[in-house]
Amino acid sequence: AQSVTQLDSHVSVSEGTPVLLRCNYSSSYSPSLFWYVQHPNKGLQLLLKYTSAATLVKGINGFEAEFKKSETSFHLTKPSAHMSDAAEYFCVVSLGTYKYIFGTGTRLKVLA
Amino acid sequence: DAMVIQNPRYQVTQFGKPVTLSCSQTLNHNVMYWYQQKSSQAPKLLFHYYDKDFNNEADTPDNFQSRRPNTSFCFLDIRSPGLGDAAMYLCATSVLGQGAINYNEQFFGPGTRLTVL
Repeated sequence: AQSVTQLDSHVSVSEGTPVLLRCNYSSSYSPSLFWYVQHPNKGLQLLLKYTSAATLVKGINGFEAEFKKSETSFHLTKPSAHMSDAAEYFCVVSLGTYKYIFGTGTRLKVLA
Repeated sequence: DAMVIQNPRYQVTQFGKPVTLSCSQTLNHNVMYWYQQKSSQAPKLLFHYYDKDFNNEADTPDNFQSRRPNTSFCFLDIRSPGLGDAAMYLCATSVLGQGAINYNEQFFGPGTRLTVL
């Protein structure tokens, strides 16, 4: 069975410092993985997705994620946090044709 | 721009008074989803449509129903809202994946925030 675990429910960083949001997955085969961001009272926006074409995936707003099969991880990173990055982030794994499993989310706080 | 639209953005209803939330899409995607999201939680799938085929999640209360009259529109009906139904309701679309692995992402609307008085 496929599952996804976000290791941190809250992460605080100072503006201008690196961001690391951790995600581990469990899958019996090579998964399809996504990172979404949700700002307060808004819908979810796709940041990036892993499609097996490349292990390092670049997304929008300077975010990127690296797929590491040996570690079953898909951590999200950004070199320098901006105040506008403060939001909830969800790691999502696709179960196949139509169903997606969401991690519990990580709330990112950016300190001035 | 192709998109997913939800109306209204904010809905207030009274305890037990039926309410309908609407979702429309210009993406021509064959799958449409309804999620319920409570504060500080991940979205919870209520049901989805693949074209006109309706698929209910096992733990979705009978109080929740859905209609998809055509490819573009999908409605969420809450027959008798309770206080516990207050939440953000998210509509999403996707293209049905082929084979065992689906690389197609979901596209989300902005959500409807439901308040039950």
